[in-house]
Parts: sequence; structure tokens; C-alpha cells
Amino acid sequence: NAGVTQTPKFQVLKTGQSMTLQCAQDMNHNSMYWYRQDPGMGLRLIYYSASEGTTDKGEVPNGYNVSRLNKREFSLRLESAAPSQTSVYFCASSEVPTQRADTQYFGPGTRLTVL
Amino acid sequence: AQSVTQLGSHVSVSEGALVLLRCNYSSSVPPYLFWYVQYPNQGLQLLLKYTSAATLVKGINGFEAEFKKSETSFHLTKPSAHMSDAAEYFCAVSDWGNYQLIWGAGTKLIIKP
Repeated sequence: NAGVTQTPKFQVLKTGQSMTLQCAQDMNHNSMYWYRQDPGMGLRLIYYSASEGTTDKGEVPNGYNVSRLNKREFSLRLESAAPSQTSVYFCASSEVPTQRADTQYFGPGTRLTVL
Repeated sequence: AQSVTQLGSHVSVSEGALVLLRCNYSSSVPPYLFWYVQYPNQGLQLLLKYTSAATLVKGINGFEAEFKKSETSFHLTKPSAHMSDAAEYFCAVSDWGNYQLIWGAGTKLIIKP
């Protein structure tokens, strides 16, 4: 099993360009998440999808959109990239939470630089 | 609101010494508690988790953590540090009725030869 895969691994954009980060999981998980990681700030949730067909905003959703394409895939789109979006982006997945969140499984990350 | 505090953004220990990474949470109701490890340029990997069974939880790579309700703590320990333990460690909490993990800011563990 590949677990959670993310593409691309690295990306450099110019301010104003758009791009989509792809994420796929093969663990038959219902819930998927997008985080960004910045030095000294830990992980911050951008968007999540509790189940296929639903998406919700996290802590830092501004400037991003998401699509839960199917149960396996959850993409993150930057419509007009800004230097403040330079970060490492992680996708994660988990079983559908019952009474509370449970173990999340992470992809290897996408390192994005916006010039 | 639930919060997670990891004391020390950087912890430095000598190879062979005890590793102690601190995590405190704010919930009054025992939550689920997690420790994750992130090696350089990699994603996060689950080390161990507490789900209200045994208070002493053993994880991978010789790490363990003890849940102490009276102290609202879940500190991570390893008796003898190896160079390969150099990484960033994150504590996370899951509250009843909350479908998101609450993350600490992380502690970078540095191993001195």
C-alpha cells in the first residue's frame, strides 16, 4: 500500500499564478485533511473533508479552495498565489471520526515557494 | 477551547541520555492524545497514542508516554537517545465531539554526539 501520496513534491510559482496540489489515499479512509506547516507554527488546518461530498474550512482557509473528487482524492487549489503561501503542505487521511478525531496518516508533503 | 502546549521549541540531549519531551493539554475531560515524529523533509508518522486504556503507552523506536490526568500531561520519554532520534516531535489532542486534532507547536530534538 502506498498510503497517502501527494504531487508534486516541489513547486515554485510566481505571485498571481494558480496551481492545484493533488492528494490520494488507498486506505479506504473517509476523512481527509489539508495542512500547512511553517517554521515555529506547527501544523495549521486549511480545509478538511469529513466524508465524500463534504468539505469544511479549517483554521486558515483564505486563499485556498478544495475539491473532494471521490473517496480517494482531495485536491487543494491556490487561485492566485501569494508569497505568504510559501509553505510545506501536507495531506492526511483518517477513518471517519465517531465521537472524536482519531489517528491521521500523512503524505510526504509538497514544498511550495511563491516568488 | 482545547489547547496543547509543548515546552521547549528545541531540546538538546547527548547520545545515550534520557529524552524527555513535554506536552500539556487543557481539557478537563481526558482526551485522546497522540505523539507524532517528523524526520527531516518527511511527513508526520504516528509514534504512539493514548485512548483511555493503560496510562503508560509504548510506541515505536523505544519511545513511551505516560498520561497523568492530575497534571494534564502526556510527556514523551526514551531511556537512551540515538542519533537517529533527531527529528521534530508533535503532540496532538482529540476532544470529545471535536473532529479535528489540536496540535502543539512542535519540539525539535537535537542529539549531541
